Amino acid sequence: QTVVTQEPSFSVSPGGTVTLTCGLSSGSVSTSFYPSWYQQTPGQAPRTLIYSTDTRSSGVPDRFSGSILGNKAALTITGAQADDESNYYCVLYMGSGIWVFGGGTKLTVL
Amino acid sequence: EVQLLESGGGLVQPGGSLRLSCAASGFTFNNYAMSWVRQAPGKGLEWVSAVSGTGYTTYYADSVKGRFSISRDNAKYTLNLQMNSLRADDTAVYYCAKTYNRNPYYFDYWGQGTLVTVSS
Repeated sequence: QTVVTQEPSFSVSPGGTVTLTCGLSSGSVSTSFYPSWYQQTPGQAPRTLIYSTDTRSSGVPDRFSGSILGNKAALTITGAQADDESNYYCVLYMGSGIWVFGGGTKLTVL
Repeated sequence: EVQLLESGGGLVQPGGSLRLSCAASGFTFNNYAMSWVRQAPGKGLEWVSAVSGTGYTTYYADSVKGRFSISRDNAKYTLNLQMNSLRADDTAVYYCAKTYNRNPYYFDYWGQGTLVTVSS
């Protein structure tokens, strides 16, 4: 069974830079998995940040960027702000109409 | 403006059934696939099911295959999820999401969710 891995938690100082990653329990993440990233605060619906590895969704600030780093997809937040404190989820398209989410990363800004 | 509004959630006993709906507006409904994504209390997101724009092709996560059925009514701009043989671990907030099931394969708009609680 395919497992998509994310760091359970991460912290960053205000104004700092943080990179969250999205990997596979077996194998490497490439652009062929069309990695996308979503931000969610408790009690709210997810918000789309990045799709197709590195394309920002409409209205998303350019301090959010996506990439492939080594064998993982990555979400980098440059110049973190207090309201970036959220849960971040990646999802990979596995083909044949199937998506698999990672377990999410809880980001703390302090 | 794209809007997605889920309904139909509630309390149901184990083994019971429930039907969720998602009313869509602000886009040409039949041009897009649609998905259901759920989130158990305190847990992460889990993709559940998707349906093509025509409704002819459906996809399911292994965890719900054979128990859940996704469908859509393009004339009414409505997405549905029929949930049968419900179990305690189906308890979650269920979100509908407008979906690209072709390149670039992602979910671009989300509803606010509806809570399903499976408990005796």
